[in-house]
Amino acid sequence: GAGVSQSPSNKVTEKGKDVELRCDPISGHTALYWYRQSLGQGLEFLIYFQGNSAPDKSGLPSDRFSAERTGGSVSTLTIQRTQQEDSAVYLCASSREGRETQYFGPGTRLLVL
Amino acid sequence: AQSVAQPEDQVNVAEGNPLTVKCTYSVSGNPYLFWYVQYPNRGLQFLLKYITGDNLVKGSYGFEAEFNKSQTSFHLKKPSALVSDSALYFCAVRDWTDKLIFGTGTRLQVFP
Repeated sequence: GAGVSQSPSNKVTEKGKDVELRCDPISGHTALYWYRQSLGQGLEFLIYFQGNSAPDKSGLPSDRFSAERTGGSVSTLTIQRTQQEDSAVYLCASSREGRETQYFGPGTRLLVL
Repeated sequence: AQSVAQPEDQVNVAEGNPLTVKCTYSVSGNPYLFWYVQYPNRGLQFLLKYITGDNLVKGSYGFEAEFNKSQTSFHLKKPSALVSDSALYFCAVRDWTDKLIFGTGTRLQVFP
């Protein structure tokens, strides 16, 4: 079946601009996660959605980062007023439920100039 | 706090030889441990997991991992390495809020 998909695959933006990253989870998966992979910080958790529960935003690095999940499916990660340190690969994962194995998408490579 | 450590940045092995990629963990309570592999410009692919049960866990592509509670280790192994196994490998632990805590990754290089 179809895996997790993310778009765009690559994004180049100028410092100060806003960007939106999209994630389509595996159909039927109720849990959705965003992680960030960067050279300096490794793989780090950003935010977690589980069903209709309030999202766990504990990993968001600043208030410039936000995410939403519409209709329990597609999620959008928004970064406002991008900074060069936001350059990273943003990975989305989904699982059937919170306790199940997480399956990752191919990621969005973000470069802030 | 839950954490995992991957003590080796890189592991080099000749094709056909056995390989081991090391991971140690620090958790309170029962550990839920995972291995993922990342090929260049790709996302993470799930290899295997330990939740409970047998200490030897078998996964995709001929990989297996041995859970050792006394040594708090979860090393990834394969009896015979392939050049195509060359990739970045991540060990992870699931914390009580369901998010994954990753190690720093180990680059496996298999030479022909």
